Amino acid sequence: DAGVIQSPRHEVTEMGQEVTLRCKPISGHNSLFWYRQTMMRGLELLIYFNNNVPIDDSGMPEDRFSAKMPNASFSTLKIQPSEPRDSAVYFCASDSRVRGSNEQFFGPGTRLTVL
Amino acid sequence: GNSVTQMEGPVTLSEEAFLTINCTYTATGYPSLFWYVQYPGEGLQLLLKATKADDKGSNKGFEATYRKETTSFHLEKGSVQVSDSAVYFCAPGSEETDKLIFGTGTRLQVFP
Repeated sequence: DAGVIQSPRHEVTEMGQEVTLRCKPISGHNSLFWYRQTMMRGLELLIYFNNNVPIDDSGMPEDRFSAKMPNASFSTLKIQPSEPRDSAVYFCASDSRVRGSNEQFFGPGTRLTVL
Repeated sequence: GNSVTQMEGPVTLSEEAFLTINCTYTATGYPSLFWYVQYPGEGLQLLLKATKADDKGSNKGFEATYRKETTSFHLEKGSVQVSDSAVYFCAPGSEETDKLIFGTGTRLQVFP
């Protein structure tokens, strides 16, 4: 299995532009998580989905952020408009929801820089 | 809700030294417990896990024991290597949700 796939790996954009990050979870996994990691705030859970349905989006910082999961093999995180404080590494993770496990598999991350 | 407290870093050691990174948690019930490791420039990857009380997780020379009485899951290694330099995250799971509760991470630096 290729693991969790994220694209792009690096994104540099200017303030005000729309940014879309993409994630392909491991096949057969039915939970998907988006995280953001910064030096100041550490690792933060933004939102997670079960069976393509958003379950908890309490970590989404504001309305500029939105996430979708149109099918079991694809999810997007969109920032519109982007701001310099959005600069971070964004990780996607998936798990299979085996009861008693909670083991998540992380992608390599997308490093976002907003100028 | 669940929470986790992790030893602050950085932890700086010489090669072959003994390592302990403390982790304590609060949780409802008895969730699975995890240690993740993040090498420079990479995503998090599972290092080890334990799914019930008194279980010992182990991998790559690292160990951690699920201590229900003290709600702890301390990470240990008898002899660290330079290649162990990374950030280590303690993460209890949840019996009610699918979330992992990640600690702040502890940076380990091992010098030759």
